[in-house]
Amino acid sequence: QVTLRESGPALVKPTQTLTLTCTFSGFSLNTTGMCVSWIRQPPGKALEWLARIDWEDDKYYSTSFKSRLIISKDTSKSQVVLTMTNTDPADTATYYCARALMDVWGKGTTVTVSS
Amino acid sequence: DIVMTQSPLSLAVIPGEPASISCTSSQTLLHSNGYIYLNWFLQKPGQSPQLLIYLGSDRAPGVPDRFSGSGSGTHFTLKISRVEAEDVGVYYCMEALQTGSWTFGQGTKVELK
Repeated sequence: QVTLRESGPALVKPTQTLTLTCTFSGFSLNTTGMCVSWIRQPPGKALEWLARIDWEDDKYYSTSFKSRLIISKDTSKSQVVLTMTNTDPADTATYYCARALMDVWGKGTTVTVSS
Repeated sequence: DIVMTQSPLSLAVIPGEPASISCTSSQTLLHSNGYIYLNWFLQKPGQSPQLLIYLGSDRAPGVPDRFSGSGSGTHFTLKISRVEAEDVGVYYCMEALQTGSWTFGQGTKVELK
């Protein structure tokens, strides 16, 4: 069974760095063609694709966020980590991770950016 | 970046009636390998999005056959042959063509009339 679970702080202050972890099971990021994406959804708004990392450790970022995001993986721990720098209240959202072409999603983790 | 545009943005449907959502991309989503990298998702109220259609027209496992995807190049359609109460939510198209960033449409909210 494939599962993904997002974790991270519920509250961060503006300008702080946000670190989110996606812990997955049921598949391996060593498998050719496999990747994990991060997506977010501000309250009442649409989904926004943020970043993706693949089996070859290639990394891709949304051009809207590129300078603020870093994605990495720890294959031994079955984890993908997303770091967002210089957060703003506009970054308040539910953050999801999903496998490959997004056939399986986590339940999401809600992050509020507020002083 | 590819821009994905959905229409309509909201839709009220009588149960048992058909529904159709359009999605237009600013660039062709037809890859040189012959595949169309266009997915459709449904986000039911309070839930994570779920994959309905991938590669333009392939239903994901467990998705009822009343859902179908079609289109080529830059114009795509999601059709529900007979809307049921459980189909209420927001539908998103998403392009996954680029080796770089991927993009979602704005979403189409479907409710029952």
